[in-house]
Amino acid sequence: GNSVTQMEGPVTLSEEAFLTINCTYTATGYPSLFWYVQYPGEGLQLLLKATKADDKGSNKGFEATYRKETTSFHLEKGSVQVSDSAVYFCALKPIFGNEKLTFGTGTRLTIIP
Amino acid sequence: DSGVTQTPKHLITATGQRVTLRCSPRSGDLSVYWYQQSLDQGLQFLIHYYNGEERAKGNILERFSAQQFPDLHSELNLSSLELGDSALYFCASSDRRGVGEQFFGPGTRLTVL
Repeated sequence: GNSVTQMEGPVTLSEEAFLTINCTYTATGYPSLFWYVQYPGEGLQLLLKATKADDKGSNKGFEATYRKETTSFHLEKGSVQVSDSAVYFCALKPIFGNEKLTFGTGTRLTIIP
Repeated sequence: DSGVTQTPKHLITATGQRVTLRCSPRSGDLSVYWYQQSLDQGLQFLIHYYNGEERAKGNILERFSAQQFPDLHSELNLSSLELGDSALYFCASSDRRGVGEQFFGPGTRLTVL
C-alpha cells in the first residue's frame, strides 16, 4: 500500500537557520505530493504541492521538489522565522483509485528567537 | 479560512454515549473526507463521500458511521464511545476536478471521559 515516511521530530532551530524536513514515500505510479502545516490550535493548511516528477512546489519561502528517482519530497526553507513554528505533514494522494490522503507522522518544528 | 466549516469546535462526553459531528464543505465541492488525528495513530483517513454516495472507507470502526446529505453537508456519527475515541476529527472537501487538493476544516476536538 501507500505510505509516507517523515523525519522524526521535534526539530528546534534558531531564527534565520536553514530548514530541511525529510519525506520519502512508497506508492504505485506517480502520486501527487503535498506538505500541510498545522499551527497550534488550528486545522491543516496546504503549504505546497507537486503533481509530477521534477515539479517544485513553493509557498511562503518554503520549497519542495518531487524526486521520482529517490521517491522523496523534502521540505526546505532558507531562513526560518518564529512564526514558522508548527507541525508539518507530508502527504500523498494516488493518481488513480481512492483519493484519500496518506499522511506522514508529522514533524513538530520550534523556532527560537 | 479554508471555507470548510465544522461544528462543534469542542465536544466533551462520557463513555458509552453517542455524538454527531457536522461538516459543511466549500461552496461547490462535492467530495467530503473525514480524518481522525490522535496522538498514537497520527492522521488517519476514515471515510469519503462524493455527492451523497460513500466512495471509500479507511480505518473506520463499526461504531462510527457517516452520511452526506443532499445539500452536501456531512455528519460523522460516533456511538458507544470509548476513551480511545478522544481525538481531533477533521473534515476536508475537494472538487475532484483539480489535482486532488483537499481543504481542511478547523476540526472538532472530542474528549471522552
